[in-house]
Amino acid sequence: GAGVSQSPRYKVAKRGQDVALRCDPISGHVSLFWYQQALGQGPEFLTYFQNEAQLDKSGLPSDRFFAERPEGSVSTLKIQRTQQEDSAVYLCASSYNRGADTQYFGPGTRLTVL
Amino acid sequence: AQTVTQSQPEMSVQEAETVTLSCTYDTSESDYYLFWYKQPPSRQMILVIRQEAYKQQNATENRFSVNFQKAAKSFSLKISDSQLGDAAMYFCAYRTTRDWMANSKLTFGKGITLSVRP
Repeated sequence: GAGVSQSPRYKVAKRGQDVALRCDPISGHVSLFWYQQALGQGPEFLTYFQNEAQLDKSGLPSDRFFAERPEGSVSTLKIQRTQQEDSAVYLCASSYNRGADTQYFGPGTRLTVL
Repeated sequence: AQTVTQSQPEMSVQEAETVTLSCTYDTSESDYYLFWYKQPPSRQMILVIRQEAYKQQNATENRFSVNFQKAAKSFSLKISDSQLGDAAMYFCAYRTTRDWMANSKLTFGKGITLSVRP
């Protein structure tokens, strides 16, 4: 595709519900990143994939957060038993190769937990 | 751990004028990348400019240029001939180049909101 796409763009969940956020990276991009952006703040790293391998999940805030990229392309970020503090914009980024390449960002999913 | 600091939460500039956005960072590494990203209200983060730490020459991209002071750990963005479309949040970001095969995650500052007055 022309760019990184994410769906849904907006998600409202009741506290305790599970949510799944999808990211379609640019075709052929090896690396995929998830970031969490709280209101008025800069994005913070959550997790990183190189193809289907999740090489770094050190930024995931709790074991309620889970990410996968089973075929090395589309990725899903799942949040179980959502809490109000999970409300944020979740950004996905991809880059062509490891290391030095530019990361291209999607438009994000705004999650609101009531 | 690396940190990125953007101490100015907001700035305003008159259309066609020049504005400078400040950024400082802290790292013990000698080689790394620095970036400025723009995030308009639609939220799509767009790369504005990047600088490799080993390069002494400051990066430029059309109306955008940086002042990279490695010893001072300062990385400011200058926008010349400001346009209404430049209004957005601007984020300074850091990425290590150590261990090329591993994670190349970005560490962002808190951002600065730039408004452009017509």
